[in-house]
This record gives sequence, structure tokens and C-alpha cells, in this order.
Amino acid sequence: AQKITQTQPGMFVQEKEAVTLDCTYDTSDPSYGLFWYKQPSSGEMIFLIYQGSYDQQNATEGRYSLNFQKARKSANLVISASQLGDSAMYFCAMREESLWAGNQFYFGTGTSLTVIP
Amino acid sequence: AAGVIQSPRHLIKEKRETATLKCYPIPRHDTVYWYQQGPGQDPQFLISFYEKMQSDKGSIPDRFSAQQFSDYHSELNMSSLELGDSALYFCASSLGRGQGYEQYFGPGTRLTVT
Repeated sequence: AQKITQTQPGMFVQEKEAVTLDCTYDTSDPSYGLFWYKQPSSGEMIFLIYQGSYDQQNATEGRYSLNFQKARKSANLVISASQLGDSAMYFCAMREESLWAGNQFYFGTGTSLTVIP
Repeated sequence: AAGVIQSPRHLIKEKRETATLKCYPIPRHDTVYWYQQGPGQDPQFLISFYEKMQSDKGSIPDRFSAQQFSDYHSELNMSSLELGDSALYFCASSLGRGQGYEQYFGPGTRLTVT
């Protein structure tokens, strides 16, 4: 079964508007972390934001916020005030963090975001 | 701050050749992970090492092997290369394993097999 699902292969957003990228996950591990990475055309994986399964509040990092709905197993990324430089591929990832877990990342298939001037 | 270093950044090989990719983790990081990202695909976990011992194994082909050395750098050895091995190979490192140990990704090595 797919552990991370990103259902939006491509998204468009107008510059300066907000956009939400969807991510749902599947795990039976009570301890896990959810991550979002940005991958521009140059290829490097840029860490954006992290949410732990026990965190009570939604994570925020500048213009990035994570809408964490644990019961629905969703971890959507919200980018506010989109900029042209936000155009990239965005990956949602999960790491199972219990002591018996492998600590590897499971990635979704990614969402390609294009910011329109 | 020092980041994960991967070398080479780009590599072109022919079918059936061998290739060695190197990863230098962030200083004091004792855990290294390798991922393979094919064109238009999401990264897939290959293998990881903790304190110089293999800790987890993912979808790594038998033609590939890897190890972590005493200075914690890691090498991914790839033999009998196939066209399908063309991909971006990421290395990530972390200090320890488990909750809260962030993985930092290197810039990747882009391998092209012709």
C-alpha cells in the first residue's frame, strides 16, 4: 500500500495568492514525522517544514504552513503569497519514528507547482 | 554550515560499466541513507548505514553494494550498469536514528547510463 499519496500531479497559482498542496499518509506507527521538500529543476531536495505526530499545533515556517489533520491522516502544505521562485516540484514525505522503524523516508509522487505572474 | 557532500555531481557511464558514488555526511553525523530518483519519479530508498553497519535495506538491486567507512563517509558501488539505472542518487545524513533526527539531503549525483 502506498504510504504517501499526493493526488495533484500539477498545480497552478497566481503570484501573491495562496495555494494548498494535498498529502495523505498511511501508517500504523504511532510515532511518525511528516515532511515537505521542494525540488527545483536543478534537482536538490530542499527541506521546507516538519510536523511530528505528537505535535499539538500545526507547523509553520515563514510562508509555509502545514495543515495537519491527524484523524484524516492528511498533511497539506499551504504556501502563502506565492512567488515566482516557488515554481518547483513538491514532495510530501513520511518517516516512521518508533525505535523499531527503519527511519527511511517514504515519498509521495510529487506535485509540480507553477506560479503564474 | 557544512552540508552533505556528494561526488561526483554528474557521471556518464556506458552499459555494463561500473560506477562509484561517494557521500560525505555532515560532520558528527553517524547515519547515512541512499535514495534513487528516476526521471519524473519520487525518490526510492535504497539502503542506510548507522555507525558503519548496514541498518536498513530498501529496493537496492543485487548489482549495487554500499558501505560506510570509519570516517562515516559512504560509497555506493554500482556494477553492470543498465539504462534503467539512469537517475538522480541522493545521499542523506542524520545524527542518530529515530524521532527528531532530521535527515539532511545532499545535492545528488546525476548518473546517466548510455
